[in-house]
Amino acid sequence: AQKITQTQPGMFVQEKEAVTLDCTYDTSDPSYGLFWYKQPSSGEMIFLIYQGSYDQQNATEGRYSLNFQKARKSANLVISASQLGDSAMYFCAMREVGYGGATNKLIFGTGTLLAVQP
Amino acid sequence: EAGVTQFPSHSVIEKGQTVTLRCDPISGHDNLYWYRRVMGKEIKFLLHFVKESKQDESGMPNNRFLAERTGGTYSTLKVQPAELEDSGVYFCASSQATDRGRIGTNSPLHFGNGTRLTVT
Repeated sequence: AQKITQTQPGMFVQEKEAVTLDCTYDTSDPSYGLFWYKQPSSGEMIFLIYQGSYDQQNATEGRYSLNFQKARKSANLVISASQLGDSAMYFCAMREVGYGGATNKLIFGTGTLLAVQP
Repeated sequence: EAGVTQFPSHSVIEKGQTVTLRCDPISGHDNLYWYRRVMGKEIKFLLHFVKESKQDESGMPNNRFLAERTGGTYSTLKVQPAELEDSGVYFCASSQATDRGRIGTNSPLHFGNGTRLTVT
């Protein structure tokens, strides 16, 4: 069965430092996509970054990068130069390509609560 | 452009009552999804509309939940009668048409702020 595992329920990081949020996944489908979403205390879910299973390079979006290790089935999010506004819940999610084409059904992990300290 | 909007933001009802949640997707997004997060657990898929049709409702927990998307625009999710275990945050998301066979970034899910449902 497809599954996303986030083993860190909570993380602390000092402002301006880098932090890595762990995510491992399990799927038997060779085609899939991996997403990270941020949920601040206000509640909205904000799309951060995407990695396709066939992408040759690790995805980057500004201060966010995804450390994609396909053989280990991990897709860790790296936030560089942390800011106070990065304090939020972070969710890793996987989208599968089912029979007949892509779907947009996401499977989420339980999330990691990141606290950035001044 | 306006994002995905959900109403109400909070709802507190008693067990046995009925509640209707509403979601307005981003204009032009054919795909609309409902997800739910029960306290402390992962966000779980409920169902997926493509325009007005239910594409996948495999995540709907039971027949007390009814989702509709009349005219392919906004969607409602009705819980009737509500039970204690229905408490959680209900998220709606929308995306543009999905390229079949591809999983590119041109169709990420855009989520609303969620409706926090408390059943007492």
